[in-house]
Amino acid sequence: TQLLEQSPQFLSIQEGENLTVYCNSSSVFSSLQWYRQEPGEGPVLLVTVVTGGEVKKLKRLTFQFGDARKDSSLHITAAQPGDTGLYLCAGDSNYQLIWGAGTKLIIKP
Amino acid sequence: EAQVTQNPRYLITVTGKKLTVTCSQNMNHEYMSWYRQDPGLGLRQIYYSMNVEVTDKGDVPEGYKVSRKEKRNFPLILESPSPNQTSLYFCASSRDFRVGETQYFGPGTRLLVL
Repeated sequence: TQLLEQSPQFLSIQEGENLTVYCNSSSVFSSLQWYRQEPGEGPVLLVTVVTGGEVKKLKRLTFQFGDARKDSSLHITAAQPGDTGLYLCAGDSNYQLIWGAGTKLIIKP
Repeated sequence: EAQVTQNPRYLITVTGKKLTVTCSQNMNHEYMSWYRQDPGLGLRQIYYSMNVEVTDKGDVPEGYKVSRKEKRNFPLILESPSPNQTSLYFCASSRDFRVGETQYFGPGTRLLVL
């Protein structure tokens, strides 16, 4: 069974701090996606990384795909209260998406 | 507006009473799927469909049925719901299932089985 482990499960920090969320697996994925989910809503795609070693930036968010395509990280610089939410990673494999359990992020003003 | 809709959004039912959760997308997507989301377990796929009349089991299909008679609709059927099916359910669609295709999610259906 393929697994994606996310860490930490929960993170509460002050506005302005930096943070990194990790998504790790022993399996290789063709691509890896990061989603953000807010309470009462479905997940919304933030980014897709496809190539090993790829780095993508979305304003203050930096996403990296591991060289071996088994892991990924999300780094947020100068976090803001609007970044609060559940961050989910998902790897695609054989017509299914394998999901991590998520990182619940709270940014305090 | 491009969207995935689900109904109902909230449902309380009793053990054994058949129910259907509808899902519809207006983006002409080929791939559709159903997930359940439980605390600490993330999203787990129940069933998916590559196209009309093509469905397959996901990771947790027991106790669920689906059908895909039309491209836009993908209903989830619980023939005899049990309390362990209490969960938050999401329908999702994507253009197809090539590498990296964006999944578009519905707003979710919160189900409580008593």
